[in-house]
Amino acid sequence: AQSVSQHNHHVILSEAASLELGCNYSYGGTVNLFWYVQYPGQHLQLLLKYFSGDPLVKGIKGFEAEFIKSKFSFNLRKPSVQWSDTAEYFCAVRDNFNKFYFGSGTKLNVKP
Amino acid sequence: NAGVTQTPKFQVLKTGQSMTLQCAQDMNHEYMSWYRQDPGMGLRLIHYSVGAGITDQGEVPNGYNVSRSTTEDFPLRLLSAAPSQTSVYFCASSPGTGGWNYGYTFGSGTRLTVV
Repeated sequence: AQSVSQHNHHVILSEAASLELGCNYSYGGTVNLFWYVQYPGQHLQLLLKYFSGDPLVKGIKGFEAEFIKSKFSFNLRKPSVQWSDTAEYFCAVRDNFNKFYFGSGTKLNVKP
Repeated sequence: NAGVTQTPKFQVLKTGQSMTLQCAQDMNHEYMSWYRQDPGMGLRLIHYSVGAGITDQGEVPNGYNVSRSTTEDFPLRLLSAAPSQTSVYFCASSPGTGGWNYGYTFGSGTRLTVV
């Protein structure tokens, strides 16, 4: 079975700081990769996704992620965070059996 | 609006009671899943379905049953509620293999407390 690791459980940043959240997965086969965001009290929403092609993926709200196959990683980045980015972020992997696996989440707290 | 609808949004049960969490989607998605979200543990897959009439167990299936009689509906049944089932439950759907470039669409969640 897959495993998805998010090593940062809680990140605190000031506004305008740069963000990078780590995500590593274990599956060696073909995968699709996702980042989801959950704002306080809300459900998960898709932030960005990678399927093939350019390993640098751009998503909504200025987020991007880079797929590095050799490192089994799919790290999320944003050059300058805003207070409204305060949320919990989940990395997810879908294997070629169409099963999704989620990381344990990273809580981001942005101080105004 | 099209999407995934979950009911109820909140529920309190007594230990030993049974109940059904409802999930419906109107996007003709083949793939539907139930997850539970617990602090520090992310989302854990309970059961999933790849189409009407087909269900399978996920990571934490014990104490839960599902059925998929139609494409639209995927109810989750708690057979005899236990305090360990206190959690937030999310239903999600996705197109099948024909829609490979889609992620999940999530419902708004059901917050369940078992006392």
